[in-house]
Amino acid sequence: EAGVAQSPRYKIIEKRQSVAFWCNPISGHATLYWYQQILGQGPKLLIQFQNNGVVDDSQLPKDRFSAERLKGVDSTLKIQPAKLEDSAVYLCASSLDQGALGELFFGEGSRLTVL
Amino acid sequence: DQQVKQNSPSLSVQEGRISILNCDYTNSMFDYFLWYKKYPAEGPTFLISISSIKDKNEDGRFTVFLNKSAKHLSLHIVPSQPGDSAVYFCAASAYTGFQKLVFGTGTRLLVSP
Repeated sequence: EAGVAQSPRYKIIEKRQSVAFWCNPISGHATLYWYQQILGQGPKLLIQFQNNGVVDDSQLPKDRFSAERLKGVDSTLKIQPAKLEDSAVYLCASSLDQGALGELFFGEGSRLTVL
Repeated sequence: DQQVKQNSPSLSVQEGRISILNCDYTNSMFDYFLWYKKYPAEGPTFLISISSIKDKNEDGRFTVFLNKSAKHLSLHIVPSQPGDSAVYFCAASAYTGFQKLVFGTGTRLLVSP
């Protein structure tokens, strides 16, 4: 079974530039999550999708971050314009069903450095 | 507001001994707890979980204990192996129509031969 795929693995940009990250969840997983992990901290949920609808985006900085999950499969997270404090690893995760208590499967993450 | 806390940033243990990783939480609505392990340059992987209706769950060398009155859980690894060296994250969930995990800051475990 293929795992959660993310790209790019690494990205370096200057502040005020834009960046986009892509995620392909495990086949059949209805729920998709984007987490932000700043160095020395635990992952923080940015946005959660159930199929192609948003379940929770309460911690997403909507003035600069946006995310979409077209057709309920792949997802893209965009940052525009980037700030220095956005430097972090962006983790995508998926799970079978948001209603079921169970494990999340994470991708390897996309490491963003903002200079 | 850090709802899930792992107060020990790091822990060093000798191979064969017991590793005990601790986690405290503040939200009494949390009813499901998980531990994830993370190696460098990889995403976190699920290790073990426990529901609030239990006080212990065991899976091989890994045991999680939950003390609801103290809002505390711990992960025991016995015996510890060098391959267990990783960052361990505690996570908690309060079911409110959907599962939302809140992660702690992690504890880096180093198991030396």
